[in-house]
Amino acid sequence: GNSVTQMEGPVTLSEEAFLTINCTYTATGYPSLFWYVQYPGEGLQLLLKATKADDKGSNKGFEATYRKETTSFHLEKGSVQVSDSAVYFCALSVPGNTPLVFGKGTRLSVIA
Amino acid sequence: GAVVSQHPSRVICKSGTSVKIECRSLDFQATTMFWYRQFPKQSLMLMATSNEGSKATYEQGVEKDKFLINHASLTLSTLTVTSAHPEDSSFYICSAEGQKQETQYFGPGTRLLVL
Repeated sequence: GNSVTQMEGPVTLSEEAFLTINCTYTATGYPSLFWYVQYPGEGLQLLLKATKADDKGSNKGFEATYRKETTSFHLEKGSVQVSDSAVYFCALSVPGNTPLVFGKGTRLSVIA
Repeated sequence: GAVVSQHPSRVICKSGTSVKIECRSLDFQATTMFWYRQFPKQSLMLMATSNEGSKATYEQGVEKDKFLINHASLTLSTLTVTSAHPEDSSFYICSAEGQKQETQYFGPGTRLLVL
């Protein structure tokens, strides 16, 4: 079946630190991969996506590269800010089977 | 980007009452809408998929008679929690997918508290 595994949190970093949140997947077919962010008390917002191997999604300083050989889509940011504190969800969608499959989420706390 | 709204954002009700939650795509036509449930500090669990003009497809373990879904138009889907009980208290999130089926856009969520 299709599944997403992401590193468990919580992750606590100091402002301007480097962030990596690992995400690996298993899927039938060729999935599209997503990172969503959920700020406290809010719904999910699409952060970035990649639809094929070697694509790099980027937004707001965050990046993730679709690695087919390692079935990974790790999220990175070079310098985090307090405002990045949120829960980050890795997700996949397989063509023809559009419901998203989510990882369990990783809570990030950035302290000043 | 595309905007999806939910109403209400927060609702408190007594046990045994029914609650309706609306999900609207504001600037695009959503051929498919999804309803998720999220427990505290957990991931989203897909409850059902609804396509405009047809019956919703429920995930295993989700009671279709308890969670009534109506997708009457390309911009509106409703979830009605019937005879709500305290264990139904949760954060309910909808998402909508446009005709190109490239990306799901999520609503801000509705927090339901059943007393």
